Amino acid sequence: AQRVTQPEKLLSVFKGAPVELKCNYSYSGSPELFWYVQYSRQRLQLLLRHISRESIKGFTADLNKGETSFHLKKPFAQEEDSAMYYCALRRDSGNTPLVFGKGTRLSVIA
Amino acid sequence: KAGVTQTPRYLIKTRGQQVTLSCSPISGHRSVSWYQQTPGQGLQFLFEYFSETQRNKGNFPGRFSGRQFSNSRSEMNVSTLELGDSALYLCASSLGGTGSGTDTQYFGPGTRLTVL
Repeated sequence: AQRVTQPEKLLSVFKGAPVELKCNYSYSGSPELFWYVQYSRQRLQLLLRHISRESIKGFTADLNKGETSFHLKKPFAQEEDSAMYYCALRRDSGNTPLVFGKGTRLSVIA
Repeated sequence: KAGVTQTPRYLIKTRGQQVTLSCSPISGHRSVSWYQQTPGQGLQFLFEYFSETQRNKGNFPGRFSGRQFSNSRSEMNVSTLELGDSALYLCASSLGGTGSGTDTQYFGPGTRLTVL
């Protein structure tokens, strides 16, 4: 079975400091990896997916198959980045369910 | 385009009762997925419907069921409610067509169910 692990429940950083939210997964196939974000009083929304290889709101994430990781990074944290971040996996590329990690709450301190 | 809507937003029930939650997907989306979110277990997949057929199912007891109508709207039903069913129930819609591995799921605001 697939599993997604986000080891930190809470991560606090100062504004302007680099951010790295960790995500590790277990799956023997070729997964699709995603980061979802939930800002205060807003609905869960897609932040980025590994196949797009794009930067959204300054965030990037690289899929490392050797380490089975998909860490989310941003060089300079902003206060508006404070939110709940969920890493998710979908096995292969078919219409299969998303498996979510338990989330990391990022708090950016001014 | 209107987003995913869920009704009701809040619900209080007592043990043993049953409940029906509704989800209206984004126009044109044919896939609706349901998730249960709790502080302890996080987001867990319940089931997915596509073109009125259940396409995927999570590991939940048979008390949890769902259906999808021809207009893609979906309902989920929980019978014989237990205290542990208290959770935020999220639905997500996507285009869901064949080979749409890059399909994006758009989430609704959720229904907060409290079982007393």
